[in-house]
Amino acid sequence: EAGVTQFPSHSVIEKGQTVTLRCDPISGHDNLYWYRRVMGKEIKFLLHFVKESKQDESGMPNNRFLAERTGGTYSTLKVQPAELEDSGVYFCASSQVQGPGELFFGEGSRLTVL
Amino acid sequence: SQQGEEDPQALSIQEGENATMNCSYKTSINNLQWYRQNSGRGLVHLILIRSNEREKHSGRLRVTLDTSKKSSSLLITASRAADTASYFCAVSGGYNKLIFGAGTRLAVHP
Repeated sequence: EAGVTQFPSHSVIEKGQTVTLRCDPISGHDNLYWYRRVMGKEIKFLLHFVKESKQDESGMPNNRFLAERTGGTYSTLKVQPAELEDSGVYFCASSQVQGPGELFFGEGSRLTVL
Repeated sequence: SQQGEEDPQALSIQEGENATMNCSYKTSINNLQWYRQNSGRGLVHLILIRSNEREKHSGRLRVTLDTSKKSSSLLITASRAADTASYFCAVSGGYNKLIFGAGTRLAVHP
């Protein structure tokens, strides 16, 4: 069974540009989460989808970040326009049950904004 | 904030020694989980302990939970070089999400 996959693994962009990160959760997992880790700090929650609906987007930093999950399968996280402080590793995780129980993580997308 | 906070931030030990990491949190929880992250990789779930449990074992891992002190500990016995990683606790408390801390970096030297 395929795990959670994220693309790209690393993206380097200039301030003001746009980047779109993609996450493919484990098949059948209705719950999809985005997290971000900046500079060795805590892993911060960004948002949570249940199927295609945003259950909780309380962690989204500002309106430069847009997450979608059309059809309840893969998800994208777009940053537009990117700022220096957006640099970090963006993790996607999925789970079958709410609660939540165990989360299955992808390997992350490292974003560097110059 | 509800987040788990790990202590120490970094730990360096020799192979064969035990490693103990602690986690504190601030509000009531449903469960507490520990994850491991090898450098450059994703997080891997290690163990989940529910709020009504006090201790749980999985192989060389032992997790304790003290809800009165709002703290948990992760003990890795007989550590190996392959245990070198960052370890994170995560808490779930009435919200359908996990809140993570900044992690403990464990280095196990051969």
